[in-house]
Order: sequence, then C-alpha cells, then structure tokens
Amino acid sequence: NSKVIQTPRYLVKGQGQKAKMRCIPEKGHPVVFWYQQNKNNEFKFLINFQNQEVLQQIDMTEKRFSAECPSNSPCSLEIQSSEAGDSALYLCASSPQGAGYAEQFFGPGTRLTVL
Amino acid sequence: GDSVTQTEGQVTVSESKSLIINCTYSATSIGYPNLFWYVRYPGEGLQLLLKVITAGQKGSSRGFEATYNKEATSFHLQKASVQESDSAVYYCALSYEEGSGYNKLTFGKGTVLLVSP
Repeated sequence: NSKVIQTPRYLVKGQGQKAKMRCIPEKGHPVVFWYQQNKNNEFKFLINFQNQEVLQQIDMTEKRFSAECPSNSPCSLEIQSSEAGDSALYLCASSPQGAGYAEQFFGPGTRLTVL
Repeated sequence: GDSVTQTEGQVTVSESKSLIINCTYSATSIGYPNLFWYVRYPGEGLQLLLKVITAGQKGSSRGFEATYNKEATSFHLQKASVQESDSAVYYCALSYEEGSGYNKLTFGKGTVLLVSP
C-alpha cells in the first residue's frame, strides 16, 4: 500500500479564495507529481518535481497554480484564486526514480470544492 | 497530444466469468510508450496493477493480463475468471522515457467493474 500522505482530505473554498493542499511523498522518493481528476474522471497532469526542482508544468499551473517541494518539508500545491472549475480531486504521486517506466505511488487525494 | 481510450462507464460481470476491458492509445510523442493499468478499489487510493514497457510483451498480476500490441496500439486488460473482490475502477495509462513531459502519466477515463455474485 502507498505511503503517500495528502492533507487535507477535503477542502471547501469560496470563489477567489486561496486553496492549499500538501503532500508527503514516500520516504526516499525524489520524484513528485500532481494530477487533477475532474468530475468527468479526466486526469490532467499539473506539475512534477525531482529533488525540489520543477521538471515540467502545464500552462494552467503557471498562471494561478503554484507548487513547491522544499527539502525536509511537505510538498504543496496552492491555487491563488479558486474558480468553480477547479473543483476536483487533486492527486499527489511519488516515484523512486524519474524514468517513465517507474511506478507512481498515489496518495488518497484532496477533494477540493469551490462554491 | 497523447490520449488513451478505454471501455467507458460500467461493466458488470458475473463471478467466475471472463473479463476484457479495452484500451487503445494514440501516441504523438517520439518513441513507444510505457503502458500501465492502475486500479482503485473502493475506499482506497490508485495503485499499479501491471505494466509493460516493451512492445509485444505481456504483463500479469493478480490473475489479470495485458499484452502490448504496438500495431493495434492496444493494451486490453483480461481476466479468465473474475471474483467479487475485483470490483473496482480500472485505468489504462501511458508514459514515455523521453520528450516533452516524458514521465507523466496520461490516463483513460476509467472503467467501473462490478462483479456480481
């Protein structure tokens, strides 16, 4: 079973409010991913890190979303000004290596509801 | 961009019967993708079921099998005899070794499997 920890499990925000969620990857996993799963079960990759360094992020992330993975602290994903369309399940995953064939270990997710 | 299409919605199968969940992919990135099946059991997080990184090879786990068919760009999931405990949501996914966004996963929309007693 995955040991990726995500907090909080549920988050409710009003439009325009900040929303912040955290992720503790499995010990020894240097690679961290964030995905968004919307109500239509579509996954969208947001950003990934390797040892605190951003590998890739999508355009959407660059505008309202910010993320970091500081050394010795939880990773975080923050939405600066929440919109209704941001309501989704946010999944954090970690991996022991950066190779594309490596298994990703997922946390339970943070379910964000924007009212 | 890349995309994954799998059997949509819910599939209901009687216990001990066979199962197939179709998965095809459209890959625009360079090279051949790595292919995965992930599963989400009720009340649990997403976890890897099986993976195949070489075209033509078969992966297997917990009685499930999937063969990487690069000609048909398919990776169908099969099981000869399902059990109630297999009831879950199954996701087909792909990733790459190099290129833009190489190691991120591109998922299908998921297939809900309900095994009836």
